[in-house]
Amino acid sequence: KNEVEQSPQNLTAQEGEFITINCSYSVGISALHWLQQHPGGGIVSLFMLSSGKKKHGRLIATINIQEKHSSLHITASHPRDSAVYICAAAGGTSYGKLTFGQGTILTVHP
Amino acid sequence: ETGVTQSPTHLIKTRGQQVTLRCSSQSGHNTVSWYQQALGQGPQFIFQYYREEENGRGNFPPRFSGLQFPNYSSELNVNALELDDSALYLCASRRVGDYGYTFGSGTRLTVV
Repeated sequence: KNEVEQSPQNLTAQEGEFITINCSYSVGISALHWLQQHPGGGIVSLFMLSSGKKKHGRLIATINIQEKHSSLHITASHPRDSAVYICAAAGGTSYGKLTFGQGTILTVHP
Repeated sequence: ETGVTQSPTHLIKTRGQQVTLRCSSQSGHNTVSWYQQALGQGPQFIFQYYREEENGRGNFPPRFSGLQFPNYSSELNVNALELDDSALYLCASRRVGDYGYTFGSGTRLTVV
């Protein structure tokens, strides 16, 4: 079992739909990152969370430390949201390396 | 200076050659880690440096090596390139004690 698990692996939506991507982790963490990667592109950091909830535009990220679970929500999805979304857990020790999920491939159709 | 900058953004090398990838971190970010993301997979941990010393390593052979410099920049060196080394290479840095990391946008290496 991977230390960081994402679901679903693939997600297809129609424009305007509300989207949720889930991330569960089994390691102790100091923070959890949500990242976006467009095809052939580099990584863009969307959120860093250590507790609670953050919102940026149509994107919302939440984390439940007790349940070791985080979600990324996209409201009113748009075709330009089509990308791979990756969660990455930053270890809770000073060594604290990142452990990445496998990513969720999101396709939003017009 | 803010953000983490990686260079070059794209690179094509021939099998057997050597490559150096660079990462320039924010001032004060004394921890830097490097990751390899092969096509269709999540990033995998290569190694981490703290105050210019390697303090963690993933399952990568010794031909993957690194350096970290006092000016918060770092390098990933790969010798004897193989076709399977074709990937996106990411660096991420932070100050020890901070919660999370700042990410570079990656270097895409193609080995032909």
